Amino acid sequence: EDQVTQSPEALRLQEGESSSLNCSYTVSGLRGLFWYRQDPGKGPEFLFTLYSAGEEKEKERLKATLTKKESFLHITAPKPEDSATYLCAVQLRVPGTASKLTFGTGTRLQVTL
Amino acid sequence: DTEVTQTPKHLVMGMTNKKSLKCEQHMGHRAMYWYKQKAKKPPELMFVYSYEKLSINESVPSRFSPECPNSSLLNLHLHALQPEDSALYLCASSQGRAPVRNEQFFGPGTRLTVL
Repeated sequence: EDQVTQSPEALRLQEGESSSLNCSYTVSGLRGLFWYRQDPGKGPEFLFTLYSAGEEKEKERLKATLTKKESFLHITAPKPEDSATYLCAVQLRVPGTASKLTFGTGTRLQVTL
Repeated sequence: DTEVTQTPKHLVMGMTNKKSLKCEQHMGHRAMYWYKQKAKKPPELMFVYSYEKLSINESVPSRFSPECPNSSLLNLHLHALQPEDSALYLCASSQGRAPVRNEQFFGPGTRLTVL
């Protein structure tokens, strides 16, 4: 059965304290791994797509990496505005041209001054 | 432009009411999705439309009825809902060119409360 597990469930950092969020997956045939950021009561905001092991993507203070079994979201020198829930999702193969995502349960990040 | 819009933002309805949620995108995407999200849980897929045809129904109760009038619009018709259906309803779209370039872009959601 396809599974996506995120850790930690919650993380509290001080401003400037770098850390990493983990997303491990067990799927039959990965067709893409996605990272999203979600603020309370709002829709997920797309951050990155990773397709193959060894791939890396960066955006401001965020860097996403992918191995054959897991992905990491590295946050360098975070600021309070980085506080949010970070979701990873794996794309599964479905008939046709749509995509089906299986989401992890998310990591709630709080960055304090 | 990566914007998906949803209306209304908030909706309160009784169990006997009929209402509809609306979603619109103008990115030329050919796949559109409805998700349900409960508090502190990840989004849960309900329906997928690919090229305006329903391609996935995740065993959703018939009191939820999706409709895709054209490639830019997606509706979710609601009837005889239960209080446990209260949630954030999210719409998303993607290019529909699996497997690559198929990122899903989400709208802001409709907060639904069923009394």
